[in-house]
Amino acid sequence: QVQLQESGPGLVKPSQTVSLTCTVSGGSIRADNYYWSWVRQPPGKGLEWLTYIYHSGSSYYNPSLASRVTVSLDMSKSQFSLHLSSVTAADTAVYYCARLYGSGRNYFDRWGQGTQVTVSS
Amino acid sequence: QSVLTQPPSVSGAPGQRVTISCTGSSSNIGAGYEVHWYQQLPGAAPKLLIYGNNNRPSGVPDRFSGSKSGTSASLAITGLQPQDEADYYCQSYDRSLRDVFGGGTSLTVL
Repeated sequence: QVQLQESGPGLVKPSQTVSLTCTVSGGSIRADNYYWSWVRQPPGKGLEWLTYIYHSGSSYYNPSLASRVTVSLDMSKSQFSLHLSSVTAADTAVYYCARLYGSGRNYFDRWGQGTQVTVSS
Repeated sequence: QSVLTQPPSVSGAPGQRVTISCTGSSSNIGAGYEVHWYQQLPGAAPKLLIYGNNNRPSGVPDRFSGSKSGTSASLAITGLQPQDEADYYCQSYDRSLRDVFGGGTSLTVL
């Protein structure tokens, strides 16, 4: 059973870059048809897809955040990471890593427990 | 404002049937893309509830079902139970925006 676990700093200052890492266990990050994703949820609000990456290195971004978001993959550690630059209070949210099944279907079938990121000076 | 529109809240008594709608457009649901549903219990991560419009992952009770027609989709829950009290989100693919979620619906079991 694939499991995902997020890790990150928790508190970030405005204008800085926050980096979060997701560690995948119980399955291969090289599995075909699966994309490794980030989704966030601001306090009291809904879910927002941010980005995903395939084991080939192909990456895709939410157009509204594309200028500030980067995703990377470290297959040797079974990890993928989110980098969000120039953060503001609006980026305060719980950040989830998730596995997306592609093949034209695009659903998130496994989720991490989430990590809180607070942007504050 | 979400690309997919859901009612903010629904409620029902134990044992009743409730439905949650998800309305999109010709760029997403109406373009033939599948609709998926997630359940988020209080304080927990979302969990896949329905995929591919009407398929249940292993372990999801058959009290939960999904349907899709035109530019809309619906999640139905029959035999409502107190443990069904949660937030529910629909999700689909959009030609311009890629993966999009509905704004979420809070289900209250009276």
